[in-house]
Amino acid sequence: DAGVIQSPRHEVTEMGQEVTLRCKPISGHNSLFWYRQTMMRGLELLIYFNNNVPIDDSGMPEDRFSAKMPNASFSTLKIQPSEPRDSAVYFCASSSPGHEKLFFGSGTQLSVL
Amino acid sequence: GENVEQHPSTLSVQEGDSAVIKCTYSDSASNYFPWYKQELGKRPQLIIDIRSNVGEKKDQRIAVTLNKTAKHFSLHITETQPEDSAVYFCAANILTGGGNKLTFGTGTQLKVEL
Repeated sequence: DAGVIQSPRHEVTEMGQEVTLRCKPISGHNSLFWYRQTMMRGLELLIYFNNNVPIDDSGMPEDRFSAKMPNASFSTLKIQPSEPRDSAVYFCASSSPGHEKLFFGSGTQLSVL
Repeated sequence: GENVEQHPSTLSVQEGDSAVIKCTYSDSASNYFPWYKQELGKRPQLIIDIRSNVGEKKDQRIAVTLNKTAKHFSLHITETQPEDSAVYFCAANILTGGGNKLTFGTGTQLKVEL
């Protein structure tokens, strides 16, 4: 298995633009997580899904952030409109049923100018 | 919700020495405590974990200890090597049927000097 796959690896955009980050979890994993990593705040859980259903989105900072998981093999995190303070590394992670171990993707380095 | 505090934020040791990183958690219901290692520019990867029904766990040069009463747990690395240099994150989790929500500490930058 190729592991958790995220795209793009790097994204540079201008303030006000829409940004869409993509994630493909490991096949067979039924939980998917979106984390944001910054120097100041460390690893923050934004939202997680279980069996494609959002379970906890309390970490989503503002209404500008939204996440979807239309099927078991794909999820998106959208920021609209983007702001410079959204600049961070966004990680997607997945885990298999009954197991706690998280497998992280390579992350998306987002820079909002 | 769960709050995890981690200390120190940076740690520098000489090669061959031991390193200890400590974490505390707030929710007494937490029952799973993993440690992740993140090398520069890479993804976090699980290195060891412990459940609340165990007080200590070892895997070669690394070990974790858990004190449920005090709500703290620690990572111990012995005979440190340059390749141990990385950021280490502790985390706490409440395992429920509805999901698996990990709360991470703020990380410890470990530097092993030659």
